[in-house]
Amino acid sequence: AQTVTQSQPEMSVQEAETVTLSCTYDTSESDYYLFWYKQPPSRQMILVIRQEAYKQQNATENRFSVNFQKAAKSFSLKISDSQLGDAAMYFCAFTQGGSEKLVFGKGTKLTVNP
Amino acid sequence: DSGVTQTPKHLITATGQRVTLRCSPRSGDLSVYWYQQSLDQGLQFLIQYYNGEERAKGNILERFSAQQFPDLHSELNLSSLELGDSALYFCASSPQGVPRETQYFGPGTRLLVL
Repeated sequence: AQTVTQSQPEMSVQEAETVTLSCTYDTSESDYYLFWYKQPPSRQMILVIRQEAYKQQNATENRFSVNFQKAAKSFSLKISDSQLGDAAMYFCAFTQGGSEKLVFGKGTKLTVNP
Repeated sequence: DSGVTQTPKHLITATGQRVTLRCSPRSGDLSVYWYQQSLDQGLQFLIQYYNGEERAKGNILERFSAQQFPDLHSELNLSSLELGDSALYFCASSPQGVPRETQYFGPGTRLLVL
């Protein structure tokens, strides 16, 4: 079964500091794609970053970067220089070859303290 | 703004009733996905359409149905509503509906069944 586990229901970080959100997944496929989505209080689902499993290089988008450990099936999100606007629920998700649906973790609620 | 639109934003109805949720995908996207977000089940894939045809089905109840029209907008029909159907319903779209593509989400329709 395809599963995504986010072991941290809640995290907090001081403004301007760095925080890492954890995600592990389980799949037997070699062709898959990983995503982090952000859901602020507005409830909109916003793509933060994506990673193709066949790429060894970790994806980076401005202050957001991932640590993709394929053998460990781990896909953590690092947020640098945290801002108040980063406060949100963060969902890890993946799709895999032969199945177009996104499988989501249960999310991590991130609080940013001023 | 993802370019995906959903109407209505909020819907309050009674048990046993039927409602229709509407989604317009991003310009050029042929594939539409429906997801349900509830407190107990998290984010779950319901169904996917590609260019008017059903492509994949997830945990969609028999009381629920969907379709995609020639202009590519999609509707999700929920009937014989129960209290447990109260949730946030998201529509997402992607160009070809394949796993390597990012799915862009609409703002969601919040359904409350009383």
